Amino acid sequence: DAGVTQSPTHLIKTRGQQVTLRCSPKSGHDTVSWYQQALGQGPQFIFQYYEEEERQRGNFPDRFSGHQFPNYSSELNVNALLLGDSALYLCASSFYRTEAFFGQGTRLTVV
Amino acid sequence: AQKITQTQPGMFVQEKEAVTLDCTYDTSDQSYGLFWYKQPSSGEMIFLIYQGSYDEQNATEGRYSLNFQKARKSANLVISASQLGDSAMYFCAMREGEGMDSSYKLIFGSGTRLLVRP
Repeated sequence: DAGVTQSPTHLIKTRGQQVTLRCSPKSGHDTVSWYQQALGQGPQFIFQYYEEEERQRGNFPDRFSGHQFPNYSSELNVNALLLGDSALYLCASSFYRTEAFFGQGTRLTVV
Repeated sequence: AQKITQTQPGMFVQEKEAVTLDCTYDTSDQSYGLFWYKQPSSGEMIFLIYQGSYDEQNATEGRYSLNFQKARKSANLVISASQLGDSAMYFCAMREGEGMDSSYKLIFGSGTRLLVRP
């Protein structure tokens, strides 16, 4: 049973560019959440998707957007990248309000 | 405002001994859930244990137990019989509300790095 898978694992982008990160949830899960984890800090909630709609959003600017597909997979898009967007981006999936299972993350470096 | 505080940036423990990782939380909700996650150097957050605010018994999962003291708003993780593979970052997290009224987001603390010595 595959867990949560994220791609790519590492990414280097230039300031001002746009990036798309991808997430496939654990089998049987229908809800996907995205978190940003800066170095040395705990993860911060970006948003959550359920039934292809954004259900809840954290305190992140509109440069951060997402999408959920009919197969429950999800994308996180970040526009106009800033140096401060460099972080580990974690995807978590769950079914209803059960515990969230996390992927290994995508390490984004903005130069 | 909801907040999780982990006051121990780093901890050492001898292999086979028990260790307690501290977590205090702040919320105005009567209903909430508390979680502990382990993050090895690979980056993946691994779910360890969950405690609901209305659970009367402390949660246990194998070598992990959660020392829940509601009046003190603390939810400390106890790892018994530490193993070398327990070396990792440990995060305490909270989700406000439970059941149909629960929020969807997890609020994390800043973590504690545990190093198990052989």
